[in-house]
Amino acid sequence: GAGVSQSPSNKVTEKGKDVELRCDPISGHTALYWYRQRLGQGLEFLIYFQGNSAPDKSGLPSDRFSAERTGESVSTLTIQRTQQEDSAVYLCASSQADLSSYEQYFGPGTRLTVT
Amino acid sequence: DAKTTQPTSMDCAEGRAANLPCNHSTISGNEYVYWYRQIHSQGPQYIIHGLKNNETNEMASLIITEDRKSSTLILPHATLRDTAVYYCIVRPQTGANNLFFGTGTRLTVIP
Repeated sequence: GAGVSQSPSNKVTEKGKDVELRCDPISGHTALYWYRQRLGQGLEFLIYFQGNSAPDKSGLPSDRFSAERTGESVSTLTIQRTQQEDSAVYLCASSQADLSSYEQYFGPGTRLTVT
Repeated sequence: DAKTTQPTSMDCAEGRAANLPCNHSTISGNEYVYWYRQIHSQGPQYIIHGLKNNETNEMASLIITEDRKSSTLILPHATLRDTAVYYCIVRPQTGANNLFFGTGTRLTVIP
């Protein structure tokens, strides 16, 4: 079946512009995660959605970052007034449930470059 | 706040077993040990996970010490396609609020 998809695969934007990144999770997966990965570094947790519960936004680095998810479907990550330090690969993952017995499936990521 | 410690890099000869260690001395009783890997320019890929018993699947084996303070991921016959960064993660049973991937071990399989 189809895996996690993300769009766009690459995005180049000018400093100060807003960007919107999209994630399509695997159908039926109730948990969805966003991560950021800077060049040569590990993954940094950003935000987590589980069903209709309030999202855990504790990893968002500033109020310029926000994310939404409609039910158990598509999620969008929005970065307002982008800065050069926002340049990174943004990864989305989904899993069947928020339980350690279920692995996370990752999308290919969106590479964001802020010039 | 890193919960796991891994070597920065390792080499392994093609066809030999790759043994990747991970220390997680502060692991809690309800935390699982997960391993993921990330091949260059791709998203991370799940490999295996366990709580306290050793586990094996088609990709790898996971050996967890009796005190659960460390574990080893074993790729029995490494191939060039196994070259990747390998992440050891501890994760609570529920609530993913503090997932932490760290920087992992960069495994290079040498022909």
